[in-house]
Formats: sequence, structure tokens, C-alpha cells
Amino acid sequence: DAGITQSPRHKVTETGTPVTLRCHQTENHRYMYWYRQDPGHGLRLIHYSYGVKDTDKGEVSDGYSVSRSKTEDFLLTLESATSSQTSVYFCAIRQGIGQPQHFGDGTRLSIL
Amino acid sequence: QQQVKQSPQSLIVQKGGISIINCAYENTAFDYFPWYQQFPGKGPALLIAIRPDVSEKKEGRFTISFNKSAKQFSLHIMDSQPGDSATYFCAASFSQGGSEKLVFGKGTKLTVNP
Repeated sequence: DAGITQSPRHKVTETGTPVTLRCHQTENHRYMYWYRQDPGHGLRLIHYSYGVKDTDKGEVSDGYSVSRSKTEDFLLTLESATSSQTSVYFCAIRQGIGQPQHFGDGTRLSIL
Repeated sequence: QQQVKQSPQSLIVQKGGISIINCAYENTAFDYFPWYQQFPGKGPALLIAIRPDVSEKKEGRFTISFNKSAKQFSLHIMDSQPGDSATYFCAASFSQGGSEKLVFGKGTKLTVNP
């Protein structure tokens, strides 16, 4: 395992509620990523971080925000969850330029 | 231009056969091409990767073939086994703003029948 823990692993919530997903790494890697995976779409990048307090948007960032206050934790927040955000969310980490990304086991989020 | 097109969507192979999954890209700035394997309920795991200065890379039963001029690359699984049944994703990486990003194909569900 790449030393990545995602929590919670499963969550069911209602439309309009805030949701925060956590990615915790023990590898001290600089780069961290949040993806969503949907049938027929593969994995799509939501946000990424290239250091503490350094984040940027990915391909599908609308409706999501992130924070990284320390190297080991990268939080993904849905301020007001919508049914279209029902998905499986994966966190990934990468040590440096030219190194591969390693993924956690995901969080299955259902928004009713 | 940032897309990676993957085919087929699904593939059924008999045990011992060869599984072939193809990917194509447009952006010539891509400089790293990994393949990921994903089992149900798990995250994608890096399987094998190649850089565009090499035309082929082999690791055990898994081979990547890379055609830079055609902007295509493929994964070959030799002597396919039921344990290889999984979803496979190709990806391509490019650098932007000091960080690298991966663009994924939509995946191929491989079933290897015993």
C-alpha cells in the first residue's frame, strides 16, 4: 500500500448538506490529488495540491473546494452537496516530478 | 486535446489468450504514459508505464507498445489469467504550472474466462 488512508470509506447524505472527505498520507509526498470516478468517464481530476497551502483546480472543480494545512492531509469539501456529486472519490499522492501517482481505496459518496 | 481515447470498453478473453487494449492521444506534450489496474472496491494501482523515447516496455506478462508518430499506445497481456480480470485505465501525463497532471482514458473492463 502507498500509505494513503481515505475517510470515510462510505457516506450517504442529503442534498444541500456540506460534506468533507479526508485524505491522509504517511509518505511525506509533496503532491496530492482528488479525483472522481463515474461510469463511462474514467477518473477526472477535481483539485490538486503541490505543497502546503498550494492548491489548484482540475478539470471538474465546480462545486468543490480543497484545503491542505499540513503535508499529510488533503481535504475535499462539497459546500452544498448535489445529486450530481454522487460518485466514488479517490485521493492520489506523488513524490515528485516524473514519479507515478499512487491511489487510495476511495470514498463512495451517495447524495440523496 | 487533453483527451485520451481508450478502446474497447469491455473485453472477454479465454484463459491463456492475449488481451490487447488500445489508447490514442492528440497532445504531443504528453510525456509519460502509465497503465493502471483496478479491482472492484479498490483504487487504481500502477501496472506499467512508458516514456515516449522507448517503443516497447515489458514487465512479466505485461507489455506496453508505443507508437509516437501515430500517437497511440497499447497494453498487451500475454497468457491472460482469471486473476487479471479487472478494469484497466491508460493515462497520459503532462506538466502545467510546475505540476504534472494525469489524463485518463475511460477504462476497459477485462474478463478472463477460465
